[in-house]
Amino acid sequence: QVQLQESGPGLVKPSQTLSLTCTVSGGSISSGSYYWSWIRQPAGKGLEWIGRIYTSGSTNYNPSLKSRVTISVDTSKNQFSLKLSSVTAADTAVYYCAVSTVLTKAFDIWGQGTMVTVSS
Amino acid sequence: SYELTQPPSVSVSPGQTARITCSGDALPKQYAYWYQQKPGQAPVLVIYKDSERPSGIPERFSGSSSGTTVTLTISGVQAEDEADYYCQSADSSGTYAVFGGGTQLTVL
Repeated sequence: QVQLQESGPGLVKPSQTLSLTCTVSGGSISSGSYYWSWIRQPAGKGLEWIGRIYTSGSTNYNPSLKSRVTISVDTSKNQFSLKLSSVTAADTAVYYCAVSTVLTKAFDIWGQGTMVTVSS
Repeated sequence: SYELTQPPSVSVSPGQTARITCSGDALPKQYAYWYQQKPGQAPVLVIYKDSERPSGIPERFSGSSSGTTVTLTISGVQAEDEADYYCQSADSSGTYAVFGGGTQLTVL
């Protein structure tokens, strides 16, 4: 069973770049047909899809965040990463990584989430 | 931008049936998915492809679709079902994932 674990700084200063990593265990990030996604949730609010990367390396991003987001894969480390530039307090949220199969397209497995606060 | 609309809250008594709706223009073209989220936890998939139930999800959870509305039905609601529920789908091209605003289910 694949498991996901997010990691990265819990505090980021305004205007800087938020960087998070999701480590995949129990399976290879480069095998099969999967989407690897990032999703966030501000405190007390709903879920927002940020974007995804396919096993092939192609990406799709939420149009509202597209200009600031980069998702990449490091197959050697079995990880995928999120970079969100020019952050503001509105980017404060719990950030989740999740995996979908191409067949179902559901977010089948989620990481536990990591809280990121944007503050000086 | 594309939106999915859910009621903010639904309340039911134990043993009754809860129905949570989700509306969106692209739902006739794109599958819907439902997630359950309890406080402090990551969401859990309870329904995929409109009406399929993942292994390990109780049979009391079911999904249906009609036109631009999909519905999550929980039959014989139990206290442990109290949670936030989110629908999720994609825009008409299937390029972007979208979540509904979430529905808080309260078991009275």
